[in-house]
Amino acid sequence: AQTVTQSQPEMSVQEAETVTLSCTYDTSENNYYLFWYKQPPSRQMILVIRQEAYKQQNATENRFSVNFQKAAKSFSLKISDSQLGDTAMYFCAFMKHSITDKLIFGTGTRLQVFP
Amino acid sequence: DVKVTQSSRYLVKRTGEKVFLECVQDMDHENMFWYRQDPGLGLRLIYFSYDVKMKEKGDIPEGYSVSREKKERFSLILESASTNQTSMYLCASSLSQETKNIQYFGAGTRLSVL
Repeated sequence: AQTVTQSQPEMSVQEAETVTLSCTYDTSENNYYLFWYKQPPSRQMILVIRQEAYKQQNATENRFSVNFQKAAKSFSLKISDSQLGDTAMYFCAFMKHSITDKLIFGTGTRLQVFP
Repeated sequence: DVKVTQSSRYLVKRTGEKVFLECVQDMDHENMFWYRQDPGLGLRLIYFSYDVKMKEKGDIPEGYSVSREKKERFSLILESASTNQTSMYLCASSLSQETKNIQYFGAGTRLSVL
């Protein structure tokens, strides 16, 4: 069975600084996908970034980038130039290659961005 | 934009009541999911459906059932609500294509069972 571990329950960062959220996972699959989702306070969960395991290149979306280390089964999220609007719960999630798109989530990291 | 709508943001029910949580998506997605979210536990999958009238148990199906009579609507049913089902419930949907396997979430229903 696959598992996803986020070892940092809470983190904080000052506005304009850079912060990295950690995620490790365990799987015997070779083809899979990894995601970071963001859940702002009292708001809808939205996708931040998606990585396909067969792609060596790390995914980037504007200020958000990942460090995907397949051999180490590590998938960290880097947020550059942090903004107050980045304050949220961040969930790392794993999906194995299948038609049903089932996600396995980590326990989340609560990120607070301070002015 | 994909829209996933959950019928209630907040619900308060009594122990033993039958509870219906409704979810509707407007993007013709094949897959729909129900999760519960609890502090320190992340999101756990209760049930999912990959087609009309098709459903599969997730990781924590006990005490829940689901119904999908139409493609756009996926209902979560608590047959006899209990206090340990007090939680945030999230619905999600996705298109069943490998290149588009992103789940889109509703705003959530916070259920309190007294």
